[in-house]
Amino acid sequence: QSVLTQPPSVSGAPGQRVIISCTGSSSNIGAGYDVHWYQQLPGTAPKLFIYGNSNRPSGVPDRVSGSKSGTSASLAITGLQAEDEADYYCHSYDSSLSGSVFGGGTKLTVL
Amino acid sequence: EVQLVQSGAEVKKPGESLRISCKGSGYTFTSYWISWVRQMPGKGLEWMGRIDPSDSYTNYSPSFQGHVTLSADKSISTAYLHWSSLKASDTAMYYCARRVGSGNFYNNWVDPWGQGTLVTVSS
Repeated sequence: QSVLTQPPSVSGAPGQRVIISCTGSSSNIGAGYDVHWYQQLPGTAPKLFIYGNSNRPSGVPDRVSGSKSGTSASLAITGLQAEDEADYYCHSYDSSLSGSVFGGGTKLTVL
Repeated sequence: EVQLVQSGAEVKKPGESLRISCKGSGYTFTSYWISWVRQMPGKGLEWMGRIDPSDSYTNYSPSFQGHVTLSADKSISTAYLHWSSLKASDTAMYYCARRVGSGNFYNNWVDPWGQGTLVTVSS
């Protein structure tokens, strides 16, 4: 059981918008620690997708956005494309564990 | 270009020891911590621990403390993950990643990631 909870899967048709949630607690997201997101395409290493809750690294399109509120964070992808099909992981710091924690991952399927 | 290049796939027997490596290039190796992440077959990412290559100070996840050892050789810009006695349950892909931040130690993210090292432990 991961410290950060994500839905196992989400799906959407091309052009649609999907949101992936990441729910934590008072020892991680709720304590004010930043949330970061990683995209893992099939058979490849994870890649930074969003950092510091809502910042996009260069190369990540502006149809991708991140937000954080309370003990949760969200990753939104609009204008879905086939290339968005991947696993997505949230990441934060947990003061109880004195270290980083990842969400269980969400598989995004583009229908 | 900032890069982390990991050593190749390994096949080992239970009880054997193993050390895998992660070589950094394109940046000052001692200025950024290295984190290690496990991904078991078909599963998610698990943070194992991190090391400061400048002085080899380490933090471990409670789940991995005592089971693995992190080390670094700053003279050759390389970090290592070591097992003294492998188990079948250690079969997984292992990633190293550079820890990057905006100044607040607790809000750091990791970027880039190494390509991964697949470790298979089987009798």
